[in-house]
Amino acid sequence: DTGVSQNPRHKITKRGQNVTFRCDPISEHNRLYWYRQTLGQGPEFLTYFQNEAQLEKSRLLSDRFSAERPKGSFSTLEIQRTEQGDSAMYLCASSFRQGFADTQYFGPGTRLTVL
Amino acid sequence: TQLLEQSPQFLSIQEGENLTVYCNSSSVFSSLQWYRQEPGEGPVLLVTVVTGGEVKKLKRLTFQFGDARKDSSLHITAAQPGDTGLYLCAGRFGNEKLTFGTGTRLTIIP
Repeated sequence: DTGVSQNPRHKITKRGQNVTFRCDPISEHNRLYWYRQTLGQGPEFLTYFQNEAQLEKSRLLSDRFSAERPKGSFSTLEIQRTEQGDSAMYLCASSFRQGFADTQYFGPGTRLTVL
Repeated sequence: TQLLEQSPQFLSIQEGENLTVYCNSSSVFSSLQWYRQEPGEGPVLLVTVVTGGEVKKLKRLTFQFGDARKDSSLHITAAQPGDTGLYLCAGRFGNEKLTFGTGTRLTIIP
């Protein structure tokens, strides 16, 4: 399977704990995006990388959130001191920017539950 | 802030019927994508439209991009239970991120 993969698929944690999620994009894709989706809503943009450079961050991404893509391949999203409001599906997408086209392909997501 | 409105939010129809869902914005899209999402899974890409007036067909699904690139529609002919899911439109407004609508939750009753 050469699609976008995310681990873990599910994470349950207690409030105040730190969590880290991993995303492995499609291998030739140079762009990687993180989104968050709460129940009944469409995904909301958090941040994106082109290769290893983080080019844009949403104001939704508070200081407790940090994302990295150290070698321009996989990415991690860390949430420190989790809060119940962080409970959501965290989605990763990747794309290959070529001219005007930039179709994003999504992974299966990591569902976070903060107790 | 660009907003994407999808309608209807919920749609429940009998197998074999036709349906159309809509995606509208007050801003011009540089491109628009339609996704379908199953519960507990990530969105799966159905189509990307870029040119105003563009029509794309995917088996029983027909996607149309408005001439002014501010709206799009998805038409399903002879709906089947396997079409059940959350349909999301997502637009790019000249920058890199996707802005998603709230989705249309479609249920096809056998």
